[in-house]
Amino acid sequence: EVQLVESGGGLVQPGGSLRLSCAASGFIVSSSYMSWVRQAPGKGLEWVSVLYSGGDTYYADSVKGRFTISRHDSKNTLYLQMNSLRAEDTAVYYCARVDSWNYYFDYWGQGTLVTVSS
Amino acid sequence: EIVLTQSPGTLSLSPGERATLSCRASQSVSSSYLAWYQQKPGQAPRLLIYSASSRATGIPDRFSGSGSGTDFTLTISRLEPEDFVVYYCQQYGGSPAFGQGTKVEIK
Repeated sequence: EVQLVESGGGLVQPGGSLRLSCAASGFIVSSSYMSWVRQAPGKGLEWVSVLYSGGDTYYADSVKGRFTISRHDSKNTLYLQMNSLRAEDTAVYYCARVDSWNYYFDYWGQGTLVTVSS
Repeated sequence: EIVLTQSPGTLSLSPGERATLSCRASQSVSSSYLAWYQQKPGQAPRLLIYSASSRATGIPDRFSGSGSGTDFTLTISRLEPEDFVVYYCQQYGGSPAFGQGTKVEIK
């Protein structure tokens, strides 16, 4: 059974850093396309970043230069390093697997809340 | 960058009625890369439809998708009580993007 479990969210001050983790089971992260999607309170879904199996990474303009997506193959875990955090980064962050044929998000974690506030 | 616009923002219907949700793209999207998701309060989104018209595993057949080019539609043939939640379309041409969502509420 495919499962994604995020962790690492919490309260952080503006300008601070946080690293989110997404532990996967039931499939191999390094062979998959993996993504982070966020949702600000009461708002819609916003794509954040993607890591392809070959190692290529892409970011939304809103986080480029501040966030870094990576993976640890032996731990089968996806990460999102978030630096220079802003109030507008406050959101629930979901990790999701991307279907490699038709590029839809087929499995999602339960999400972890990041709150950026002083 | 392709922008998806969903309409209406809120759809007020009664159980048993038919719901028609629209998703319009700012430029042509490959049907292979258009998906729909359902999101219940406090939960992660759930995949409903992929490749514009293929139902995901376990999705009831009252949900159907159609469309091509810049206009796509999600239809719920007969609304059940659990269907009154929020729906998002998503495309993956270049950078992935979601529509702003349509909330289906009980009339």
